[in-house]
Amino acid sequence: SQKIEQNSEALNIQEGKTATLTCNYTNYSPAYLQWYRQDPGRGPVFLLLIRENEKEKRKERLKVTFDTTLKQSLFHITASQPADSATYLCALDPGNTPLVFGKGTRLSVIA
Amino acid sequence: DAGITQSPRYKITETGRQVTLMCHQTWSHSYMFWYRQDLGHGLRLIYYSAAADITDKGEVPDGYVVSRSKTENFPLTLESATRSQTSVYFCATLGGTDTQYFGPGTRLTVL
Repeated sequence: SQKIEQNSEALNIQEGKTATLTCNYTNYSPAYLQWYRQDPGRGPVFLLLIRENEKEKRKERLKVTFDTTLKQSLFHITASQPADSATYLCALDPGNTPLVFGKGTRLSVIA
Repeated sequence: DAGITQSPRYKITETGRQVTLMCHQTWSHSYMFWYRQDLGHGLRLIYYSAAADITDKGEVPDGYVVSRSKTENFPLTLESATRSQTSVYFCATLGGTDTQYFGPGTRLTVL
């Protein structure tokens, strides 16, 4: 069956460290994968999109990798800050239907 | 203001009542989506629409009805609300760069 999984429900890290979130998928061949941020009581907000022919994408302190062989995307936040605390969702393009979302990882950055 | 709005933001209703959640966008994006978000399930697609008068089922359409007579509006109706439909509902549109833009959500409680 098709699955998209974010391995950790919750992740706690210390301020200043690099947070790494994982998104794995099975039985999909996505043309691209996206990451969203969701704060409590709000809708998700788009952060980054990475296409199947791109290995890595960066935006300020954010970095996303996409390994189509491992069927995995990694999302990194470097020099993390308490303001980075939120739930992060990965989403993939399954082809001819809308995005499929993972359940999210709740990141807490502790000062 | 440009963007995507949802109303009401909070709604309490009783089992068996009909409820309509409204979604309005000012961008004229073709695609619009309705999701529900529940603990343990993440974001699940209810219905989506590729254009006015074109709608399609998502992962969890049972008990819901949608219509789209105008590009900017995409209402979601619960014809006879059940307790299992207690959830947070998000409307979204699809922008030109494959990015989804989410509304602020409607928290629905069915008693």
